[in-house]
Amino acid sequence: SQTIHQWPATLVQPVGSPLSLECTVEGTSNPNLYWYRQAAGRGLQLLFYSVGIGQISSEVPQNLSASRPQDRQFILSSKKLLLSDSGFYLCAWATSGIYEQYFGPGTRLTVT
Amino acid sequence: QQQVKQSPQSLIVQKGGISIINCAYENTAFDYFPWYQQFPGKGPALLIAIRPDVSEKKEGRFTISFNKSAKQFSLHIMDSQPGDSATYFCAASGTSGTYKYIFGTGTRLKVLA
Repeated sequence: SQTIHQWPATLVQPVGSPLSLECTVEGTSNPNLYWYRQAAGRGLQLLFYSVGIGQISSEVPQNLSASRPQDRQFILSSKKLLLSDSGFYLCAWATSGIYEQYFGPGTRLTVT
Repeated sequence: QQQVKQSPQSLIVQKGGISIINCAYENTAFDYFPWYQQFPGKGPALLIAIRPDVSEKKEGRFTISFNKSAKQFSLHIMDSQPGDSATYFCAASGTSGTYKYIFGTGTRLKVLA
């Protein structure tokens, strides 16, 4: 069966510090991968998606970036965090060519 | 045209009652409509989904009703239970090649015991 992991689960970072969030999927190959952000009490905003290694599409211009160094690994990064980057970051995967997306447990990021 | 409008924002239902959440879309290219359930501090979980070639899909106590001509779909939770208290999100997808979702803004459901 497939499993999706995210770490860390929670993170408190000062403004201006770098960020690296990791997402890995087990039990499948060549998945579509997605990064979402959810602000407190709000909906899900798609940040990046990837249909293959090295293929990243950005949905929202901002100071975040994403990379996919391996087939089942998706990384969200920032060089300098802003207060507005605080939120709940969710990674999701889907089988290539299939609609159903499955979400990870999320990372709660607080920028102070 | 890419928006999915969800209502109500919050909903309180008595135990055993029917919870109804509605979504509307504009883009007729959408062809997959899932519903997700999210508990506080957790990732959303896929609950049920429908394609536009059917008008209704039922899984246990959860039913999606789909009205293609009105471009609306709704989630019905029959015999609502306190354990159903969560935030529910509708979504729509249909962008070829990427299978991206457009999410609604969410409905916070509280079922009173």
